[in-house]
Amino acid sequence: KAGVTQTPRYLIKTRGQQVTLSCSPISGHRSVSWYQQTPGQGLQFLFEYFSETQRNKGNFPGRFSGRQFSNSRSEMNVSTLELGDSALYLCASSPRDRGRWPGHEQYFGPGTRLTVT
Amino acid sequence: AQSVTQLGSHVSVSEGALVLLRCNYSSSVPPYLFWYVQYPNQGLQLLLKYTTGATLVKGINGFEAEFKKSETSFHLTKPSAHMSDAAEYFCAVSEENYGGSQGNLIFGKGTKLSVKP
Repeated sequence: KAGVTQTPRYLIKTRGQQVTLSCSPISGHRSVSWYQQTPGQGLQFLFEYFSETQRNKGNFPGRFSGRQFSNSRSEMNVSTLELGDSALYLCASSPRDRGRWPGHEQYFGPGTRLTVT
Repeated sequence: AQSVTQLGSHVSVSEGALVLLRCNYSSSVPPYLFWYVQYPNQGLQLLLKYTTGATLVKGINGFEAEFKKSETSFHLTKPSAHMSDAAEYFCAVSEENYGGSQGNLIFGKGTKLSVKP
């Protein structure tokens, strides 16, 4: 099976712009989670989707949003970019609803490295 | 609230030496515990996980970890380090959330492992 894919892998944007990142989960996986990784804050949870529904959301401002499509692919959007949004954004998929099965592992993609200038 | 503490942001060992990476967690309910590894410019790869049952868990690449409830610890070990083990290692926890919807991972800050020839 193909792994989790994320596009694009690298992105450079200017402060104030918006950006959309894409994630395709492993075939058959219906749960998709997003994490932000920065040197200062480490790995922080953004949100999780299962069957097109947002199941859980981390402590991020409303500029961060996401959605999941019927084929389980997910996108996250960041509006009005700030310098502090520069990070590696990781997507992870899981075969089951992690809200009900938190013991199930998540499989991570390679990430999208976003640089905001 | 859940939290994870990884003692030592950097650990250096000689090739062939024992690897010990420390992880302590706090959780109000029985936790699910995970160790992930991240190589440069890559996503996270699951090494092993503990859910229930046997407290000594074996993972990939010769790693293992032991869940010690009394010490709230889940330390990662490998008897003999190899050059290819040089990477960053993350300990993570998630919780059973009876009737709730939280299944996200809470990560420690990570430990960078260096292996000297």
